[in-house]
Amino acid sequence: NAGVTQTPKFQVLKTGQSMTLQCAQDMNHEYMSWYRQDPGMGLRLIHYSVGAGITDQGEVPNGYNVSRSTTEDFPLRLLSAAPSQTSVYFCASRAGGGEQFFGPGTRLTVL
Amino acid sequence: AQSVTQLGSHVSVSEGALVLLRCNYSSSVPPYLFWYVQYPNQGLQLLLKYTTGATLVKGINGFEAEFKKSETSFHLTKPSAHMSDAAEYFCAVRINNNDMRFGAGTRLTVKP
Repeated sequence: NAGVTQTPKFQVLKTGQSMTLQCAQDMNHEYMSWYRQDPGMGLRLIHYSVGAGITDQGEVPNGYNVSRSTTEDFPLRLLSAAPSQTSVYFCASRAGGGEQFFGPGTRLTVL
Repeated sequence: AQSVTQLGSHVSVSEGALVLLRCNYSSSVPPYLFWYVQYPNQGLQLLLKYTTGATLVKGINGFEAEFKKSETSFHLTKPSAHMSDAAEYFCAVRINNNDMRFGAGTRLTVKP
């Protein structure tokens, strides 16, 4: 199993550009989440999904969209990037009440 | 509101010394508590978790943590630090079935 994979590993955007961060898991987990990690703030939940076709907002959802068309994939979209979205983004998945598995992260810089 | 406070953003110990990383939480319901470790340029790995039952929880790499309800604490310890323990450590509390709240993290440095 590859676990949780994320692409790209690094990305630089200009203000106003859009992009999609990809996340996939091969463990058949129903729960998937996106977090951002900023210095001194730990990880904060952006959006999550409890299964295909079901998504909801987390603690810091503004500026981000998600969809969940399959169990495996959970992309995160930035429609109009802002410098405040410079961060490291982590995708995670888990089965029910089990352990949460994290991807390796995407380091995003918005100029 | 439920939250997590990690006391000390940086902790430095000598190799072989005791490691103590502090975590306090606030929770209106019985908490599920976690410690994660993050090595440079990697994602988070679960060290240990407390859900119910025994309050002393043993994890990987020789770490353990004790849930103390009266003190609302879940401190992480290891009797003898190794150089390979140098990393950032995050305490987290699950606030509902879909959300976890993380502390700000503690960076552990191990001196030879």
